[in-house]
Amino acid sequence: DIVMTQSPDSLAVSLGERATINCKSSQSVLNNSNNKNYLAWYQQKPGQPPKLLIYWASTRESGVPDRFSGSGSGTDFTLTISSLQAEDVAVYYCQQYYSTPLFGQGTRLEI
Amino acid sequence: QVQLVQSGAEVKKPGASVKVSCKASGYTLSSYGFSWARQAPGQGLEWMGWISGYNGNTNYAQKLQGRVTMTTDTSTSTAYMELRSLRSDDTAVYYCARSGPVSSGYYLDYWGQGTLVTVSS
Repeated sequence: DIVMTQSPDSLAVSLGERATINCKSSQSVLNNSNNKNYLAWYQQKPGQPPKLLIYWASTRESGVPDRFSGSGSGTDFTLTISSLQAEDVAVYYCQQYYSTPLFGQGTRLEI
Repeated sequence: QVQLVQSGAEVKKPGASVKVSCKASGYTLSSYGFSWARQAPGQGLEWMGWISGYNGNTNYAQKLQGRVTMTTDTSTSTAYMELRSLRSDDTAVYYCARSGPVSSGYYLDYWGQGTLVTVSS
């Protein structure tokens, strides 16, 4: 299995500041045949199901604010929130779907 | 609009089985699949498996092999997840999510609201 490790486990950022969450996979999730990284990011608020933010490592889901962006390739990926808003307080998960899907352990983002 | 509506909360005794349903609307079932994931209290997300809405193929997490069965009923656009031989550590919120049609290698773009399954004697 391709294991996903997120860092940090928790993060406190001031309103309006940048938040950066990292995700590292134990093996590459880049499919060389289509040049796509099989990596998604989800946001989960308390009492709610996860919400898809980013897929193929950098494609923003429809309706997701453009302050959210994803980057990286191969084994190292980053979710960036360019200017933190109060409603962004949540737990964020990365997930690889290159092989048997696995989620990272989650990163708790606070103000 | 796409919606996934799950069945209600369940309380089961150890050793029993539970079957959770997930009714889909707003899209063509055969064009997608369903993944199931669970979340124990205060814990992260655990992927459980996937079923194709196209041909019924499945892919289960190795740790659940032999205890889990995923099915679909195309006539009602409903997916089911049955978990047998329940243990206390199966207590969790169970989610269905829309996934790819031909393999589990796809992101999860719509999620059900979750179903709390409590296993307790």
